[in-house]
Amino acid sequence: NAGVTQTPKFQVLKTGQSMTLQCAQDMNHEYMSWYRQDPGMGLRLIHYSVGAGITDQGEVPNGYNVSRSTTEDFPLRLLSAAPSQTSVYFCASSYYRTGRGTEAFFGQGTRLTVV
Amino acid sequence: AQKITQTQPGMFVQEKEAVTLDCTYDTSDPSYGLFWYKQPSSGEMIFLIYQGSYDQQNATEGRYSLNFQKARKSANLVISASQLGDSAMYFCAMREMSGYSTLTFGKGTMLLVSP
Repeated sequence: NAGVTQTPKFQVLKTGQSMTLQCAQDMNHEYMSWYRQDPGMGLRLIHYSVGAGITDQGEVPNGYNVSRSTTEDFPLRLLSAAPSQTSVYFCASSYYRTGRGTEAFFGQGTRLTVV
Repeated sequence: AQKITQTQPGMFVQEKEAVTLDCTYDTSDPSYGLFWYKQPSSGEMIFLIYQGSYDQQNATEGRYSLNFQKARKSANLVISASQLGDSAMYFCAMREMSGYSTLTFGKGTMLLVSP
């Protein structure tokens, strides 16, 4: 059982380049999300999805795009990278309800540097 | 508005002592779940413990317990008998169950355990 697979683990981009961070889960979770983690800021929600074909913006969506064509996959696209997008990115998935066993499972993270 | 508040940027504790990490939250939804995660220096997010808003008893998982005071909207994490391996960043998170609810994180508390 792989859980949440997030790639790549490290990436360096030049300003203006675009890229896609991949995220896949094999737990049949309805809810998937992308967070960015910056020092002193905790984890801030970028975009999320509650099922295939349904996405919505989180707290810091500007400069990012998502789509969810399948239950398993939730890629995050950086449209035109900026130095302000230098951060650690996490993908997470969970069941969309409260209760025991509904904790979010996280990918290993992507450390992105934009120069 | 910030929904999760962790007021302790850093905490120090000696090995084998107990430590309490504070978390307060804000919600008008009667149904919600509270989560604690650990992030060691290696970067992965590790789920520790869950408390539901309707749970009658405080959650416990091994050396971790959650001091849940619903009226005060607090969900403090108690780690008993601290170990050197407990040194990490700890995040409190909440999910409300109204509408398309997201998982919101606090800014975290860095715990350092000394010998």
